[in-house]
Amino acid sequence: IAGITQAPTSQILAAGRRMTLRCTQDMRHNAMYWYRQDLGLGLRLIHYSNTAGTTGKGEVPDGYSVSRANTDDFPLTLASAVPSQTSVYFCASSEGRFTDTQYFGPGTRLTVL
Amino acid sequence: AQSVTQLGSHVSVSEGALVLLRCNYSSSVPPYLFWYVQYPNQGLQLLLKYTTGATLVKGINGFEAEFKKSETSFHLTKPSAHMSDAAEYFCAVSLDTGRRALTFGSGTRLQVQP
Repeated sequence: IAGITQAPTSQILAAGRRMTLRCTQDMRHNAMYWYRQDLGLGLRLIHYSNTAGTTGKGEVPDGYSVSRANTDDFPLTLASAVPSQTSVYFCASSEGRFTDTQYFGPGTRLTVL
Repeated sequence: AQSVTQLGSHVSVSEGALVLLRCNYSSSVPPYLFWYVQYPNQGLQLLLKYTTGATLVKGINGFEAEFKKSETSFHLTKPSAHMSDAAEYFCAVSLDTGRRALTFGSGTRLQVQP
């Protein structure tokens, strides 16, 4: 079982370019999440989806968009990248209850120049 | 709004010594509390979690944590550190709200000296 896969592993991107980070899970989990990790700030929630077809905004949603067309995939799009979006991005999934464990992907390291 | 505070961004212990990583939370409703560990260049994995019931929770790799409501704390401990415990540790809280996501502390990097 692969769990959660993320692509690409790392990327260097010019400011102003559009970028989509991919996330796929094979656990048939209802809920999926995108976090960004920055030094000294821990992980912060960007967007979430409690079930296929629904999405919601997290703590830091500006400049990002998501879609959840099916259970397995939850892509994150940066419409026009800015240097402040340089970060490590983690996708996670869970069965969707408040007590459930979240399972994390290996992350995407994004550098915006 | 809920928040999580981890005291000490870096903790260094000797191999075989007690590990104590501190976590305090603020919440107006009963929280569900988690500790995650992140090894270098990897994603996060669950160490342990408190939902309801027994306040002393045991996790993987010999770690445990105690939920103390009166102190709003959920400190992580391990009696004897091993070199393989060197990693970053995150405390997180989940609340019974529509978002169903985690709010993380800023993390504590544990160094284990030989």
